[in-house]
Amino acid sequence: GENVEQHPSTLSVQEGDSAVIKCTYSDSASNYFPWYKQELGKGPQLIIDIRSNVGEKKDQRIAVTLNKTAKHFSLHITETQPEDSAVYFCAGLYSGGGADGLTFGKGTHLIIQP
Amino acid sequence: KAGVTQTPRYLIKTRGQQVTLSCSPISGHRSVSWYQQTPGQGLQFLFEYFSETQRNKGNFPGRFSGRQFSNSRSEMNVSTLELGDSALYLCASSRWTSGSETQYFGPGTRLLVL
Repeated sequence: GENVEQHPSTLSVQEGDSAVIKCTYSDSASNYFPWYKQELGKGPQLIIDIRSNVGEKKDQRIAVTLNKTAKHFSLHITETQPEDSAVYFCAGLYSGGGADGLTFGKGTHLIIQP
Repeated sequence: KAGVTQTPRYLIKTRGQQVTLSCSPISGHRSVSWYQQTPGQGLQFLFEYFSETQRNKGNFPGRFSGRQFSNSRSEMNVSTLELGDSALYLCASSRWTSGSETQYFGPGTRLLVL
């Protein structure tokens, strides 16, 4: 099945700086890659997603890039703010074997230092 | 538009008991997926229902089951609870059968098994 690796597990950046979180996936048939933000006591909230026919997508301070050849995708957050502090999860869609659900990375705890 | 709702939010059970969790999807959404979140294993896909039919299933034992009603509301049941079933159970809804459709998560039900 699909395996998604996410790095780093913890990332601390100064407010105003950029943050980059990287993920790799194993199943070359995967074609959908969402990113979720989870705050304490809440469910994951979708922040951006990308499909395999697109190499890059941007939404204000957030961008995602996808390299299908290398099977990796990254989340970029610019001009970080205190409210960006949370756990971020990447995911890939595993299609096949009757388990057509999202496979998640282990998460990155992003800490924004004031 | 109201988001995904899950009840109850917190639950304490003892080993050997069974439990039923409920999920109401976003209005108009017909697909409901369930995920288990634990510190050790992260977010793992349990199963997905669409139009009252289980479409996909993750790698969990048969003690985990679910169903979906004609109004798209879904329930999941865990029988013969084990200590390792303590987790946050998340429900996600999407318009169509989950695949590259965006999934929106509820706040989760936190289950503690003693």
